[in-house]
Amino acid sequence: GDSVTQMEGPVTLSEEAFLTINCTYTATGYPSLFWYVQYPGEGLQLLLKATKADDKGSNKGFEATYRKETTSFHLEKGSVQVSDSAVYFCALFSGGYQKVTFGTGTKLQVIP
Amino acid sequence: ETGVTQTPRHLVMGMTNKKSLKCEQHLGHNAMYWYKQSAKKPLELMFVYSLEERVENNSVPSRFSPECPNSSHLFLHLHTLQPEDSALYLCASSQESATYTDTQYFGPGTRLTVL
Repeated sequence: GDSVTQMEGPVTLSEEAFLTINCTYTATGYPSLFWYVQYPGEGLQLLLKATKADDKGSNKGFEATYRKETTSFHLEKGSVQVSDSAVYFCALFSGGYQKVTFGTGTKLQVIP
Repeated sequence: ETGVTQTPRHLVMGMTNKKSLKCEQHLGHNAMYWYKQSAKKPLELMFVYSLEERVENNSVPSRFSPECPNSSHLFLHLHTLQPEDSALYLCASSQESATYTDTQYFGPGTRLTVL
């Protein structure tokens, strides 16, 4: 079945450091890929998405490229801020609403 | 109010209580979802409703009973829960077609504690 694997957290970075959170997936068909972010005490918010191979999703300085050849959708940001501290979830949607798979989440802590 | 709202935000209940969680979406979507989020575990999809009909039930215990009276409202009725049911319960909505799942939008969640 479908699966999403994220790097274990927590990830601790200093402000203005470069961020990479790895995400790889296995899926049948051609899934859409998403990154969601969850701030403390809140629900999940869509951060970015990509619906086909080689698409790049971007938002708020975050980027991720849909790599079909490596089945990856790594999240990157050039310069993190303290306000980026949150839990980040990689997810894939394939074949309709019942085919929704989330990763376990990666906690990011950015220190001043 | 916009987006997806959930009430209550926090709930503490005993194992013999009956309570309900409420979700409302203001996005004009035609599908709604209940998820369970437990520490150290992936998000678990519990129920899916499309056009007010249940289309997915991922082997959820019968002590959880969903209700979708219309496309904007979703309830999760709880009775005789166990302490391991303590978790954050998230509601989401999306616009569906027969073969495509659009982006899911989430509510803030209800933090449930079962004593």
